[in-house]
Amino acid sequence: SSELTQDPAVSVALGQTVRITCQGDTLRSYYASWYQQKPGQAPVLVIYGKNNRPSGIPDRFSGSSSGNTASLTITGAQAEDEADYYCNSRDNSGKHRVFGGGTKLTVV
Amino acid sequence: QVQLQESGPGLAKPSETLSLTCNVSDTSISTYYWTWIRQPPGKGLEWIGYIYDSGSTSYNPSLKSRVTISVDTSKNQLSLKMSSVTAADTAMYYCVRDRINCNGPTCFYYFDYWGQGTLVAVSS
Repeated sequence: SSELTQDPAVSVALGQTVRITCQGDTLRSYYASWYQQKPGQAPVLVIYGKNNRPSGIPDRFSGSSSGNTASLTITGAQAEDEADYYCNSRDNSGKHRVFGGGTKLTVV
Repeated sequence: QVQLQESGPGLAKPSETLSLTCNVSDTSISTYYWTWIRQPPGKGLEWIGYIYDSGSTSYNPSLKSRVTISVDTSKNQLSLKMSSVTAADTAMYYCVRDRINCNGPTCFYYFDYWGQGTLVAVSS
């Protein structure tokens, strides 16, 4: 079983704010990174570290962390944000990486 | 612009050894960590392992006995070998640049560049 837990599916109304969460004890020690994957495409990095966005990622994407939970927030969700989102971090040993199971975001 | 291009056989038979390569462009393979990640059809992402310093490796404990990751610095190429494959190894395989940025005691870990992936089906 994954050391990082995500809700399998989340929905948001167009233009509203949605928070996607990732839980795991390892997140008390390491920051998560977040990846967006659209059907038929490779994942794309959207957030890393405390709250860093790579070039080209809209500022409606933001990240935060508290205790054993990391969150990806989309403020003003757009239709093109509909995708699968995965969190990643180091595992409890600190030697390996681990992904969450992924969250399918639907924009309605 | 960094580019990663995976290649592989497309189809492998059970019990065979799978060999994949990833050609890396516009970045030195010696400078960064490099990771393989896979995704079975309709399922989530699975970290396979990484290599750094052109030879130091770390592997997913569930795959460690069957996986070898290596680099050829002369070709700027990353490789993955997986032995004794079964249908459960059917997946899209991605090569990925792996970044570790540290500011004092705080380090960030993330995958900033991904290849488009190569699909491998394991079937007799």
